[in-house]
Amino acid sequence: DADVTQTPRNRITKTGKRIMLECSQTKGHDRMYWYRQDPGLGLRLIYYSFDVKDINKGEISDGYSVSRQAQAKFSLSLESAIPNQTALYFCATSDLQGETQYFGPGTRLLVL
Amino acid sequence: GESVGLHLPTLSVQEGDNSIINCAYSNSASDYFIWYKQESGKGPQFIIDIRSNMDKRQGQRVTVLLNKTVKHLSLQIAATQPGDSAVYFCAEKYNNNDMRFGAGTRLTVKP
Repeated sequence: DADVTQTPRNRITKTGKRIMLECSQTKGHDRMYWYRQDPGLGLRLIYYSFDVKDINKGEISDGYSVSRQAQAKFSLSLESAIPNQTALYFCATSDLQGETQYFGPGTRLLVL
Repeated sequence: GESVGLHLPTLSVQEGDNSIINCAYSNSASDYFIWYKQESGKGPQFIIDIRSNMDKRQGQRVTVLLNKTVKHLSLQIAATQPGDSAVYFCAEKYNNNDMRFGAGTRLTVKP
């Protein structure tokens, strides 16, 4: 079984809709992250969490929100999706040192 | 601003040859670097890492070289195989809470 899972794997939505992407991990890590990946660009950090209820903004948090209600789960929400949020989204986890990060398989999101 | 970048966006090599993928970084304070491999439809996968107090580190068929003088990182893959075809990108530990990722190089292995 995969250590880091993401649902859904693919999603098509319309402008203005609220959507949620889910991430679960079985690695027992405290730290979790949400990134987006766009063609020709490196992964960019949206939000990260070091523990349950701990939330920190990343490089590009505008238009996104997250929830960390349990150690194993970290969800990303787009309150009102817009087309430039079309991207590949990755969840990742790491141990307390926060160096090596383990990534999920990604969610491909298309906003029409 | 400071960033992690790659010299070449694509690299094509013959099966069995060695591959070298390069990465430039600009944050002189970065003390930890990672190479990731990302296959089509999958998330990035850790390959090898290196700390700034080292110049070279070897894994199985992979070697990472760090040149702090010119802020350059490279990944060498020996005897490249078709299964090595993927996007490779480097990451630097920018500060205690932040990893910065390069855009990636697409490696294609020709049979």
